[in-house]
Amino acid sequence: LAKTTQPISMDSYEGQEVNITCSHNNIATNDYITWYQQFPSQGPRFIIQGYKTKVTNEVASLFIPADRKSSTLSLPRVSLSDTAVYYCLVGAPSGGYNKLIFGAGTRLAVHP
Amino acid sequence: GAVVSQHPSWVICKSGTSVKIECRSLDFQATTMFWYRQFPKQSLMLMATSNEGSKATYEQGVEKDKFLINHASLTLSTLTVTSAHPEDSSFYICSSGAGRDTEAFFGQGTRLTVV
Repeated sequence: LAKTTQPISMDSYEGQEVNITCSHNNIATNDYITWYQQFPSQGPRFIIQGYKTKVTNEVASLFIPADRKSSTLSLPRVSLSDTAVYYCLVGAPSGGYNKLIFGAGTRLAVHP
Repeated sequence: GAVVSQHPSWVICKSGTSVKIECRSLDFQATTMFWYRQFPKQSLMLMATSNEGSKATYEQGVEKDKFLINHASLTLSTLTVTSAHPEDSSFYICSSGAGRDTEAFFGQGTRLTVV
């Protein structure tokens, strides 16, 4: 399973766009990139998954360059409720059926 | 999305006693579930893979006799922390897939405090 590296923490203010970058230099050809969000005392929640280029859903965008050695989770116009830990994971797309190895994650604090 | 439910949400027990945590898939069948442990300010650490009808697979360093896992049905996996000690106090989380090839679904977690 490819190792991922993310910033330990980030700070932002309400209404700003937040970009969290994840490095995964050893990503395998068949690996997908998946991001999860975790609030205190709750289980993680799926945010977005992608293989290459750009993926967008109702909560975030995921940018993946051609070499796929990194990816960027973009949260548009964050609010206080986006304060959470964000995890970048790399592996098979069938995330629910494979064990997931979590890195340290990025602790995002959104300020008023 | 699919729902994974854990019970209890929190539990306090005395040192030396055993505690059982349940993980249920409410709207799908789960042949495989995963158990994680999370200490404060730390990431999730995979403990074991729970397989319906067979023995669980434990990660290196996890004591199988201390953390008993039973997956007797397609909708229920249980984790029993035997002879709990204060160092076992942690947040325990289960997860599973649900027939979709994208995401894992996590329970809400169980906060165990051993006093």
